[in-house]
Amino acid sequence: EAQVTQNPRYLITVTGKKLTVTCSQNMNHEYMSWYRQDPGLGLRQIYYSMNVEVTDKGDVPEGYKVSRKEKRNFPLILESPSPNQTSLYFCASNEPGQGTNEQFFGPGTRLTVL
Amino acid sequence: GENVEQHPSTLSVQEGDSAVIKCTYSDSASNYFPWYKQELGKRPQLIIDIRSNVGEKKDQRIAVTLNKTAKHFSLHITETQPEDSAVYFCAASTMNYGGATNKLIFGTGTLLAVQP
Repeated sequence: EAQVTQNPRYLITVTGKKLTVTCSQNMNHEYMSWYRQDPGLGLRQIYYSMNVEVTDKGDVPEGYKVSRKEKRNFPLILESPSPNQTSLYFCASNEPGQGTNEQFFGPGTRLTVL
Repeated sequence: GENVEQHPSTLSVQEGDSAVIKCTYSDSASNYFPWYKQELGKRPQLIIDIRSNVGEKKDQRIAVTLNKTAKHFSLHITETQPEDSAVYFCAASTMNYGGATNKLIFGTGTLLAVQP
């Protein structure tokens, strides 16, 4: 089954404790992205990647890091989480060359930073 | 950079009526405009998209119209049903087959409630 997976699905942590949210896709997509969703603000792109070892900032990259060492994986790293990073995070993958740029979203990770 | 505004933020309609959600964008270079539906507790899913070389696209009860001059695009849902109740997001991006960017800017969402 074609899918995007994220782990963990839920995470409660404390300020300053480094964490990583994993994302994996099995569709062989070149492109991957991370978004955060907050009430009233919609979905905002954090980082995106267009290939292995190619990443770029989205609209709200501050406080986040990403890496793309393999095509299927795109982890999101919070080196020193703060309460304003409490949010619902979605990973997505896409392949623009197929006539559409449909983002295939993962199930989401709800992060709470105390 | 690109900015996408979406209105209204909430919309309540009676079953069978039509619903219209409007978005405006700022970057004239944007050429791809998707619409996503997000049901409660679920992930967003694409329902329809349109490229800038097309003025209108339909898929059964859903249609999207694009006015490049005015920089706005709209989602039209006809004969609404209770299962259409969800949050709808518009988005804009510059889709380059050369892979120059993968930036996608979303609107803030519209909560559509279809009353039975």
